Amino acid sequence: DIQMTQSPSSLSASVGDRVTITCRASQGISNSLAWFQQKPGKAPKSLIYAASSLQSGVPSKFSGSGSGTDFTLTISSLQPEDFATYYCQQYNSYPFTFGPGTKVDVK
Amino acid sequence: EVQLLESGGGLVQPGGSLRLSCAASGFSFSGYAMSWVRQAPGKGLEWVSTLSGSGASTYYADSVKGRFTISRDNSENTLYLQMNSLRAEDTAVYYCAKDKKGYNPGGFDYWGQGTLVTVSS
Repeated sequence: DIQMTQSPSSLSASVGDRVTITCRASQGISNSLAWFQQKPGKAPKSLIYAASSLQSGVPSKFSGSGSGTDFTLTISSLQPEDFATYYCQQYNSYPFTFGPGTKVDVK
Repeated sequence: EVQLLESGGGLVQPGGSLRLSCAASGFSFSGYAMSWVRQAPGKGLEWVSTLSGSGASTYYADSVKGRFTISRDNSENTLYLQMNSLRAEDTAVYYCAKDKKGYNPGGFDYWGQGTLVTVSS
C-alpha cells in the first residue's frame, strides 16, 4: 500500500497569511493526487485533483503542485473560512490512501 | 446540481448487519465510479470501497474485504454498501463520493453529507 504523510500536522496562521502544506507519497504516484478541506462536523470538500487542477467552483487562492512523490497545497491569502483540516489522497492505485491531515487554526 | 444523500446508518450490535444507501442526482449516475469513505470519531479519512460506473469492477480496503459489499442500481441512481459482521472498529461516519471518471480513477469531486454507523452492544 502507498503511505501518505503530511507536514505539518497542524499550523497556526493569521488572516492574510500564505500557507503551504506538504504531502509525500511512499512511492511515485505520477500526478494522481487530490486535496480536500474539512470543517468540524461537515463532509469533506474537494479542492484539487490531478495534483494541480482546481475543482469547479473552488477559488483561485488555492493551488496545488508536485508530481511523483512530493506535493504541496498553497493558500495564497488565508481567509476566516479557510480555517479547517486539509487532507491529501492518492488515487494512483488501490487501496486509495489519505494523509493524516493538517489542521489550520487561528494564531 | 450534484447531490448525494446517504441513509441507513444507525446503532447495531457487534456481528450485526446494516445496509447504507446513497441516492444520487444531478448527473448521469451510470457514467461515474462511486466510492465509500469513512471517518471514525476524531480520526482521519479512510477509503472503504469503489465501484466502477458499469458496476463490473469493485475494490475494497483490506479492513472490510469479505464483510462489506458495494453495489449500485443505475436505474435508481443509488449506491449501496452492505455491511456484515460489523465490529466496534467499523464505527464511523460513512460518506459516499463521486469520482470524476467512470472507470480509471480521476479523483473525487462530490461528497455526500455522511451517515453515522455505531457498532456497540
